[in-house]
Amino acid sequence: GAVVSQHPSRVICKSGTSVKIECRSLDFQATTMFWYRQFPKKSLMLMATSNEGSKATYEQGVEKDKFLINHASLTLSTLTVTSAHPEDSSFYICSARDRASGRVDTQYFGPGTRLTVL
Amino acid sequence: AQTVTQSQPEMSVQEAETVTLSCTYDTSENNYYLFWYKQPPSRQMILVIRQEAYKQQNATENRFSVNFQKAAKSFSLKISDSQLGDTAMYFCAFMKRGSGSRLTFGEGTQLTVNP
Repeated sequence: GAVVSQHPSRVICKSGTSVKIECRSLDFQATTMFWYRQFPKKSLMLMATSNEGSKATYEQGVEKDKFLINHASLTLSTLTVTSAHPEDSSFYICSARDRASGRVDTQYFGPGTRLTVL
Repeated sequence: AQTVTQSQPEMSVQEAETVTLSCTYDTSENNYYLFWYKQPPSRQMILVIRQEAYKQQNATENRFSVNFQKAAKSFSLKISDSQLGDTAMYFCAFMKRGSGSRLTFGEGTQLTVNP
């Protein structure tokens, strides 16, 4: 149980285009999902916290107009990188908290999405 | 703000040996959780072990155990009987209780288990 999927796993796009990444909780409801960014051989940096039915909370320094987050249902959150540029190339990881478990300390991670902007 | 420091960027160990990964953190909070996550080459984050700060007893999960020193703000991970599959990047992470489950990660330690 507690599986989180991400789609696509890899995406290559041209500079200036927008890319949408989906994060789904497959067998549980997630009131809260998190989006992280990871550079090669580096740590995970929290970008934003996504709560179902409300606006995402962005970390300091993250451009909310650049990284649009939507959490329209209890099983789906999306991250849209708008007008992507080569510096947006990175590995994006989502995680989700199980609403029913009551375990506030447990996050289930997706397998990540590698974005390459040419 | 909380910070998590892992001072060992890389470590290696022989198969079947024991290795300890270090982690220190800085916080003024009293109620929090600490974690070790593993990220193998597949890049999938896997929870290895969790510790609740109010519990004095060190957490153990099979071959993995921690040495939690709250006063020293230290949280090391010991891997016993190392296996080739333990080769991965290991991240120490901090979560303040009541923070909405926000995780702060350390920079990671790349562990290589040699045959």
